[in-house]
Amino acid sequence: DSGVTQTPKHLITATGQRVTLRCSPRSGDLSVYWYQQSLDQGLQFLIQYYNGEERAKGNILERFSAQQFPDLHSELNLSSLELGDSALYFCASSAGLAGMSSYNEQFFGPGTRLTVL
Amino acid sequence: GESVGLHLPTLSVQEGDNSIINCAYSNSASDYFIWYKQESGKGPQFIIDIRSNMDKRQGQRVTVLLNKTVKHLSLQIAATQPGDSAVYFCAENTPSGGSYIPTFGRGTSLIVHP
Repeated sequence: DSGVTQTPKHLITATGQRVTLRCSPRSGDLSVYWYQQSLDQGLQFLIQYYNGEERAKGNILERFSAQQFPDLHSELNLSSLELGDSALYFCASSAGLAGMSSYNEQFFGPGTRLTVL
Repeated sequence: GESVGLHLPTLSVQEGDNSIINCAYSNSASDYFIWYKQESGKGPQFIIDIRSNMDKRQGQRVTVLLNKTVKHLSLQIAATQPGDSAVYFCAENTPSGGSYIPTFGRGTSLIVHP
């Protein structure tokens, strides 16, 4: 158990809908990262927040948005869903900013499996 | 559990053998590299990292080698055990605005036969 929790574990919805994925980081971690993992694209970085502020942005579509709240939990909002958005969505957390030292190792949650029908 | 990817390169070894998993990266600006292990149905797990000012780093049963000239990383696992069976990803991290942008390899599926 990494200490990172994600809800829901599974989500099935229809095209055009909007969903919200939730992540609670490990206690004390300030950074939260969102990733998408699909069979055709592999694991892709979406976005990072540090202490409530966006710090790095990857391949995140305009239909997707995220935020980190004062209690440090984060939400990833996916709207106008398409079939191709079906994937595993992982959240990870780290104590500080990524890459500065192994102290800032990222711990991944169990993921949310999104199925768009 | 579920498969994290189909048609991945596969390395099949016998228990006790040494395993070597390779990864090519693309961005010469990347200066921090990480190997992750992902077991079926779970999220990736950090194994070992290396900075671009190093060419080798050792952990417990694992060694990462970095060749910046040819943009190549390898992960060596000594005395491979059945519990090492998983998909292994490398990630190159490129500096961006005080943080890093990670880019992941496609992964290699390691199968360890008892």
